[in-house]
Amino acid sequence: GENVEQHPSTLSVQEGDSAVIKCTYSDSASNYFPWYKQELGKRPQLIIDIRSNVGEKKDQRIAVSLNKTAKHFSLHITETQPEDSAVYFCAAHKGDYKLSFGAGTTVTVRA
Amino acid sequence: DTAVSQTPKYLVTQMGNDKSIKCEQNLGHDTMYWYKQDSKKFLKIMFSYNNKELIINETVPNRFSPKSPDKAHLNLHINSLELGDSAVYFCASSQGLSGTQYFGPGTRLLVL
Repeated sequence: GENVEQHPSTLSVQEGDSAVIKCTYSDSASNYFPWYKQELGKRPQLIIDIRSNVGEKKDQRIAVSLNKTAKHFSLHITETQPEDSAVYFCAAHKGDYKLSFGAGTTVTVRA
Repeated sequence: DTAVSQTPKYLVTQMGNDKSIKCEQNLGHDTMYWYKQDSKKFLKIMFSYNNKELIINETVPNRFSPKSPDKAHLNLHINSLELGDSAVYFCASSQGLSGTQYFGPGTRLLVL
């Protein structure tokens, strides 16, 4: 089955700095890569996603990049704000109803 | 107007009891899921239903029995609850094979 590894497990950044989270996947058939943000006590919510026919995607302060050859993808958050503090999950999907999640990254933005 | 809803939000019960969690979605999706999130925050798929048919059963103990009465509902019944069942259970839904999955608010289960 698909194995998704996510690094780092925790990340502390100064407000205004950038945060980068990296994920690797094992199954080259995976073709959809969403990122979810989960605030404390809340549900995971989709923040951005990318499909295998696209290399990069940006939405305001959030960007995702995908390297299919190396089987890794990453999330970049620029100009971090306190409300960016949360657990972020990457995931990989190969069209078989099964979304495989990374273990999560706890991001803390220091004011 | 809630897209994916779950009841109850909290569930505290004794070992050995049987309990059910209910999920409903009003997004018109044809696929629904149950996930378990443990204390280390890891999200693991348990079951997936498409058009009321079981698609994924991820080596979950047979004490867990999902049931989908229609495309908008997916319930989870748990028999003989154990301490290790304590977790947050999330329902999710999507449209089709590769549709974006939308999560419910979660049910926090504590087995004493």
